[in-house]
Amino acid sequence: AQSVSQHNHHVILSEAASLELGCNYSYGGTVNLFWYVQYPGQHLQLLLKYFSGDPLVKGIKGFEAEFIKSKFSFNLRKPSVQWSDTAEYFCAVKVSGSARQLTFGSGTQLTVLP
Amino acid sequence: DAGVTQSPTHLIKTRGQHVTLRCSPISGHKSVSWYQQVLGQGPQFIFQYYEKEERGRGNFPDRFSARQFPNYSSELNVNALLLGDSALYLCASSFSLSITGHSGNTIYFGEGSWLTVV
Repeated sequence: AQSVSQHNHHVILSEAASLELGCNYSYGGTVNLFWYVQYPGQHLQLLLKYFSGDPLVKGIKGFEAEFIKSKFSFNLRKPSVQWSDTAEYFCAVKVSGSARQLTFGSGTQLTVLP
Repeated sequence: DAGVTQSPTHLIKTRGQHVTLRCSPISGHKSVSWYQQVLGQGPQFIFQYYEKEERGRGNFPDRFSARQFPNYSSELNVNALLLGDSALYLCASSFSLSITGHSGNTIYFGEGSWLTVV
């Protein structure tokens, strides 16, 4: 079965700092990859997803992620964070073509200090 | 348009009791999935229903069951509640059975139902 690791449990940054959140998955086959964000008191929202093509994926709110197949990684990046980016971020994986459910990582809590 | 709606938003139950959680998908969505999110962890897949049939089941005991109605709404039932069932239960809906890269086929999550078992 596939699994997802997010090694940073809590990240604290000042506004305008650059962000990179790590995500590694374990599965030898083709996968589809997702990043979701959960703002305090709100539902999970899709930031971006990768299915095929350009491994550099751009999402909403200025976020992007890069799929590096050789490293089984799908790290999330943002050049300059804002206080409003404070939220919990989840990486998720789906086995391509078969499984329909998402397997989530344990999440990274991002706190941006004003 | 309304998003995925879930009820109740919060509830407290006693060990051994039964609970029913409800979900209304986005209008036009035929697939409903249920996830359990324990505090400090990511969501974990429980069930998927599509066109009123179970299409996927995660690694959860038989105490967990679900169903989907003709209007595509869904219920999650948990019997003989344990303290470890305390979690946020998320419902997600999508238009089709499978998640694809098509921009129109995305999973949308509700705000969840917080269940506390005491």
